[in-house]
Amino acid sequence: QKEVEQDPGPLSVPEGAIVSLNCTYSNSAFQYFMWYRQYSRKGPELLMYTYSSGNKEDGRFTAQVDKSSKYISLFIRDSQPSDSATYLCAMRQGGSYIPTFGRGTSLIVHP
Amino acid sequence: EAGVVQSPRYKIIEKKQPVAFWCNPISGHNTLYWYLQNLGQGPELLIRYENEEAVDDSQLPKDRFSAERLKGVDSTLKIQPAELGDSAVYLCASSLAGASTGELFFGEGSRLTVL
Repeated sequence: QKEVEQDPGPLSVPEGAIVSLNCTYSNSAFQYFMWYRQYSRKGPELLMYTYSSGNKEDGRFTAQVDKSSKYISLFIRDSQPSDSATYLCAMRQGGSYIPTFGRGTSLIVHP
Repeated sequence: EAGVVQSPRYKIIEKKQPVAFWCNPISGHNTLYWYLQNLGQGPELLIRYENEEAVDDSQLPKDRFSAERLKGVDSTLKIQPAELGDSAVYLCASSLAGASTGELFFGEGSRLTVL
């Protein structure tokens, strides 16, 4: 079993839908949680960063961490075709700068 | 400001041939990473440099892979000889030591196809 599990999808939604992307993890030492977005044939770029449990909002994006359940989520409101990409969750331990990545979920937002 | 630059973007070689990838990190970033990304998978760390020093290379297959970062700036990753299973995207990333988020800035990757 991998340390970080993520459903690869693809997840196909209509424009304007609310999208929910999720990851589970097994290592209780993870303290920092991130979401990276990767467009086709591009490198990943950091989208959201959170520390410990709770919610963080940035525009249409909300990151949620539930450490008791070892479960993190990314919500996208009013999804747009430009949101079509692969979303990678990543997490790291305190004192480490090396994140462990999930396999990514492919999101397709169709007009 | 220029991002992380990688070359070549695409490379097709026959098995048993050598191949090299080059990376120029963001100016001032002292930490450099090489990641391997297979199709449909997340990036997996191969090696991490702090300045010139390789501080984490436990996942680098040392029988055929080698890397160097001379002068603590540019880096090269070499595979010799390449095998069919090495077909993947090789991502270079850099980060600024001490940054609170530890954000990694990735290049666009070098896509290797081994025939």
